[in-house]
Amino acid sequence: EAQVTQNPRYLITVTGKKLTVTCSQNMNHEYMSWYRQDPGLGLRQIYYSMNVEVTDKGDVPEGYKVSRKEKRNFPLILESPSPNQTSLYFCASSGRLAGASGELFFGEGSRLTVL
Amino acid sequence: GNSVTQMEGPVTLSEEAFLTINCTYTATGYPSLFWYVQYPGEGLQLLLKATKADDKGSNKGFEATYRKETTSFHLEKGSVQVSDSAVYFCALSDPGAGSYQLTFGKGTKLSVIP
Repeated sequence: EAQVTQNPRYLITVTGKKLTVTCSQNMNHEYMSWYRQDPGLGLRQIYYSMNVEVTDKGDVPEGYKVSRKEKRNFPLILESPSPNQTSLYFCASSGRLAGASGELFFGEGSRLTVL
Repeated sequence: GNSVTQMEGPVTLSEEAFLTINCTYTATGYPSLFWYVQYPGEGLQLLLKATKADDKGSNKGFEATYRKETTSFHLEKGSVQVSDSAVYFCALSDPGAGSYQLTFGKGTKLSVIP
């Protein structure tokens, strides 16, 4: 089954404790992206990657890091989380065929709470 | 830059009511337009799309027409069901910015009551 898998789905952590949210897709997609969703603000892009070893900042990259060492994986790293990073995070991917139609495939989301 | 403005919610309708969610956009090029839907506890999924002016996208009883003259892409459904309760996002992709990059509206939450 084609899917984007994020882990963990739920996480409560404390300020300053490094964490990684993993994202993996099994569709051989070139493009992957991270978004955060906050009430009243909608979806905001954090980082995206057009292919392996190619990453770029989105609209709200501060406090986040990403890497794209393999095509299927695109982890989101919070080196020193702060309470303002409490949010619902989504990973998404797209490939050449889907991209032409604008279809992004989303994971189910990771709800992060930073105390 | 590109932007998408959609009507603020929440929207509450009775079952079988008519639905309209307004969406207007600003783009420098000739964007493709999309509606994504997010059901409770899930990620977003593509609902429908239109790639050029006057195109009509449709799916699951929902429709939206790409209106270049009014820069709009309003979502409509003739008779909503409880199962349509979700958050709806209007979005555009600008080929000049790379076809994978989407600009999203802030979302409109729809609740349908029996």
